[in-house]
Amino acid sequence: EAGVVQSPRYKIIEKKQPVAFWCNPISGHNTLYWYRQNLGQGPELLIRYENEEAVDDSQLPKDRFSAERLKGVDSTLKIQPAELGDSAVYLCASSLDTYRVGEAFFGQGTRLTVV
Amino acid sequence: AQKVTQAQTEISVVEKEDVTLDCVYETRDTTYYLFWYKQPPSGELVFLIRRNSFDEQNEISGRYSWNFQKSTSSFNFTITASQVVDSAVYFCALSEGTGFQKLVFGTGTRLLVSP
Repeated sequence: EAGVVQSPRYKIIEKKQPVAFWCNPISGHNTLYWYRQNLGQGPELLIRYENEEAVDDSQLPKDRFSAERLKGVDSTLKIQPAELGDSAVYLCASSLDTYRVGEAFFGQGTRLTVV
Repeated sequence: AQKVTQAQTEISVVEKEDVTLDCVYETRDTTYYLFWYKQPPSGELVFLIRRNSFDEQNEISGRYSWNFQKSTSSFNFTITASQVVDSAVYFCALSEGTGFQKLVFGTGTRLLVSP
């Protein structure tokens, strides 16, 4: 069974440019998460989706970040415009749902470097 | 507020040594879950274990064992007879309530196992 797939794996952009990350969760997983992991830190939740609904986006910097999960499957995270401080690894994860105890599966992440 | 502290930034051992990774957590909830994840150089987070707050039984899985002590708010992880393949960053995480609404991670402990 395929795991959580993210693309691209690496992205280098100049500040003020836009960037987008894509995530394909495990088939059948209703819950999708985007985390940001700064260098030397643990991941921090940005947004959580239940199907196509964003149920927790309290940590998402809404002035420049946006996300969507059309049809409740794939998801895209966008930054516009990017700032130097956005350099980090962006991790996508999925789980069957959040109301049954289970494990979340993570993708390999997209490493963003803003120069 | 929830918080996870992993005081050990980096640990270096020689193969076959036993090693314990410490995790201390803070939460006001009586119902919560604790997790350990492994992050190898490839970047994805690999789920190792989940423990709920009502189950203080220690758990052993092969060379891995976990010691959960509510009295000291600790959830320590021991690798017996470490191997080079154990080299990775290990994260302890906490989720209040049920499920995975929000995982709060510690800053991780980098384990280096040399031959």
